[in-house]
Amino acid sequence: AQTVTQSQPEMSVQEAETVTLSCTYDTSENNYYLFWYKQPPSRQMILVIRQEAYKQQNATENRFSVNFQKAAKSFSLKISDSQLGDTAMYFCAFRRSGGSNYKLTFGKGTLLTVNP
Amino acid sequence: EPEVTQTPSHQVTQMGQEVILRCVPISNHLYFYWYRQILGQKVEFLVSFYNNEISEKSEIFDDQFSVERPDGSNFTLKIRSTKLEDSAMYFCASTGQSTSYEQYFGPGTRLTVT
Repeated sequence: AQTVTQSQPEMSVQEAETVTLSCTYDTSENNYYLFWYKQPPSRQMILVIRQEAYKQQNATENRFSVNFQKAAKSFSLKISDSQLGDTAMYFCAFRRSGGSNYKLTFGKGTLLTVNP
Repeated sequence: EPEVTQTPSHQVTQMGQEVILRCVPISNHLYFYWYRQILGQKVEFLVSFYNNEISEKSEIFDDQFSVERPDGSNFTLKIRSTKLEDSAMYFCASTGQSTSYEQYFGPGTRLTVT
């Protein structure tokens, strides 16, 4: 079974600064997908970024980028130029590849607060 | 942009009552999921559904729970006899046949059991 660990229950950052959220996972799979989801106070789950394990290049989406270290089973999220709207709960998630209906396994989340 | 919708947004029910939570997945998606999130906790997988049958279910998904796709658009989660501990946010998600099989989440239904 896969497990996802987010060791930072809460973090804060000043507006316009950079923050990194940590995530580690455990799996025996070689191919899989990793995701970061954002959950603002509305509680809607919004996909921020995805990473395919077979790709060595780290994924980037505008101000969001990841540092994927496959050997270390680490998948951190970096938010650059933080904005007040980035305040949310952030969940790291794992999914096996090779099948369309595989579930997501989530970490416990990190509550990020962006301060003005 | 297509989106997953869920109704109702908030459901209050008494312990022991049956509830049905409804979801309309994205129209060309084939794989459907229910997750739940107890307040302050992580999102947990309940069940996945494909081709009119359950693909996988978690240990949470016991005999009190059932899922159905009664027509070509709706996907429902039924809880037969609700318990206090069923109070949670329930999320529906769906997936198309893209290479990443990204799951698109609905806005959730907040279930409160009193």
